[in-house]
Amino acid sequence: GENVEQHPSTLSVQEGDSAVIKCTYSDSASNYFPWYKQELGKGPQLIIDIRSNVGEKKDQRIAVTLNKTAKHFSLHITETQPEDSAVYFCAASIWTGRRALTFGSGTRLQVQP
Amino acid sequence: DVKVTQSSRYLVKRTGEKVFLECVQDMDHENMFWYRQDPGLGLRLIYFSYDVKMKEKGDIPEGYSVSREKKERFSLILESASTNQTSMYLCASSRQSNQPQHFGDGTRLSIL
Repeated sequence: GENVEQHPSTLSVQEGDSAVIKCTYSDSASNYFPWYKQELGKGPQLIIDIRSNVGEKKDQRIAVTLNKTAKHFSLHITETQPEDSAVYFCAASIWTGRRALTFGSGTRLQVQP
Repeated sequence: DVKVTQSSRYLVKRTGEKVFLECVQDMDHENMFWYRQDPGLGLRLIYFSYDVKMKEKGDIPEGYSVSREKKERFSLILESASTNQTSMYLCASSRQSNQPQHFGDGTRLSIL
């Protein structure tokens, strides 16, 4: 089955700096890669996703890049703010069919004011 | 807005008890999922359902069962709770297999 590895497990940045979280996946058939943000006491919320026919996607301060050859994808957050502090999860699945998401182990991002 | 509601935020049970965790979604979604979240392990899929009365095993189904009698409700059952089932349980739903998943806020279950 699919295996998703996520690094780093913790990340501390100064407000205004950029943050990058990286994930690798094992199943070359995976073609859907969402990112979730989980705030304290809440369930994960989808913040951005990308499909394998696209190499990069941006939404304001958040961007995701995908390298299908190397089987890795990354989340980039620019101009970080204290409210970006949370746990971030990457995931992978096959977009069509009935495959469920396989999640990475999570990254705790702390933005220091 | 999609609303996925889990019946309890916190639950304390004893070993050997039968435990029911309930999840309800209000968006007529076809698919529902149960995950378990543990530190350093991310979210692991226990069971999922693509239709009423249909279920499929996820990655860690041992010790759990599920029930989906109505489209909006998906129940996770611990037949005989054990201490290693102490965890955060998250329910999710999606409209179809090719749509993003929406999560509830979780049930933190402690088995004593």
